[in-house]
Amino acid sequence: GQNIDQPTEMTATEGAIVQINCTYQTSGFNGLFWYQQHAAEAPTFLSYNVLDGLEEKGRFSSFLSRSKGYSYLLLKELQMKDSASYLCASLDSNYQLIWGAGTKLIIKP
Amino acid sequence: GAGVSQSPRYKVAKRGQDVALRCDPISGHVSLFWYQQALGQGPEFLTYFQNEAQLDKSGLPSDRFFAERPEGSVSTLKIQRTQQEDSAVYLCASSYVAGATYEQYFGPGTRLTVT
Repeated sequence: GQNIDQPTEMTATEGAIVQINCTYQTSGFNGLFWYQQHAAEAPTFLSYNVLDGLEEKGRFSSFLSRSKGYSYLLLKELQMKDSASYLCASLDSNYQLIWGAGTKLIIKP
Repeated sequence: GAGVSQSPRYKVAKRGQDVALRCDPISGHVSLFWYQQALGQGPEFLTYFQNEAQLDKSGLPSDRFFAERPEGSVSTLKIQRTQQEDSAVYLCASSYVAGATYEQYFGPGTRLTVT
């Protein structure tokens, strides 16, 4: 079957760094997306990785290892507005996005 | 410019009623996706349109669910004879390229509650 695993909830302190991990097992693989979703709002795109390695975009970076079926999202210099759910999604062989349940990130002052 | 809009934002339906949910994608976007999101879960794929063609409807949970995009812009998701298990947020997303290999822009969703 297809499976995306990510932690349910994480807590971090304002100004710190947090890493949200995601492991995936999907039928085929055509890339890994990260989206941010604030409560009761629409998901918004953060990153897309299809090749191994780290991609940096401002305070957010995303890493992919295809051989390990593993990705992480790294958030630096955390701000209170980063409190949200972070969704990992794998693009399978049918080019359908298979989504994880999301990691709720709580930022404390 | 305007983003993806959906209406209504909230819908309460009695079990057995039919509902129609509307999505206005970003103008010129080729791809349109519908997702169902239960509370505390990630979105689940329902169906995909490339322009007016429905290329993938494998995620529709039953034949009570029907989607259309007749002119390649606005789309409607219809649910017939609603059941309590249909209660969820229905998200629409669009993308300017064909397929799902690019950023999708999501609407705010329609929260459907079936009583």
